[in-house]
Amino acid sequence: EVQLVESGGGLVQPGGSLRLSCAASGFNFRAYGMSWVRQAPGKGLEWVADISSNVKKISYADSVKGRFTISRDNAQNSLFLQMNSLRAEDTAVYFCARDTHYFDSSDSLGFVSDIWGQGTMVTVAS
Amino acid sequence: DIQLTQSPSFLSASVGDRVTITCRASQGISSHLAWYQQTPGKAPNLLIYAASTLQSGVPSRFSGSGSGTEFTLTITSLQPEDFATYYCQQLNSYPRIFGPGTKVDIK
Repeated sequence: EVQLVESGGGLVQPGGSLRLSCAASGFNFRAYGMSWVRQAPGKGLEWVADISSNVKKISYADSVKGRFTISRDNAQNSLFLQMNSLRAEDTAVYFCARDTHYFDSSDSLGFVSDIWGQGTMVTVAS
Repeated sequence: DIQLTQSPSFLSASVGDRVTITCRASQGISSHLAWYQQTPGKAPNLLIYAASTLQSGVPSRFSGSGSGTEFTLTITSLQPEDFATYYCQQLNSYPRIFGPGTKVDIK
């Protein structure tokens, strides 16, 4: 069974740090790009960051750039999100997702998040 | 950055209804758009990608269309399990933003 399981969430004070993990199973992890997406309580989805299968391409949302670092360990089938200088507005459920490539009708390459974990809650409060 | 809007924000419908949700992009994104369904407390579930390609395992009552800046998600004959929030996401460029969502509720 293809599965993603996040861990590492919890309560942290403003300015603190937290490291999220995402354990992948049931597919060839090293062949896929991966993403982090978050959802603040009662709000919509926000893309946070993604990383290519070979780690050569990494992108971040402006809201987390310089504070969060996405990484992966292909030998351990794991994705990580190191979160530093946390703010109250970072409070959210954090989902990891597998990115699968596709070609549209014009043969243009794209990537879509097709498999998602159940999420881990991060609360930033004093 | 590309901005996405969805309409309506909220939709009240009955089982068996045909439902259409629109997603508009502030710039052309070719057909690089996905649709997700999310129920409370659950992760998003991919329905459609490349604007009109049905994800494996998704019922055929879901369909997507559009290209450029205007896209639609259609659900023919709404089922009880379809009452959820639907999000579009643009996949053409960074940041890979999501639309604000459309909540489909029971009339």
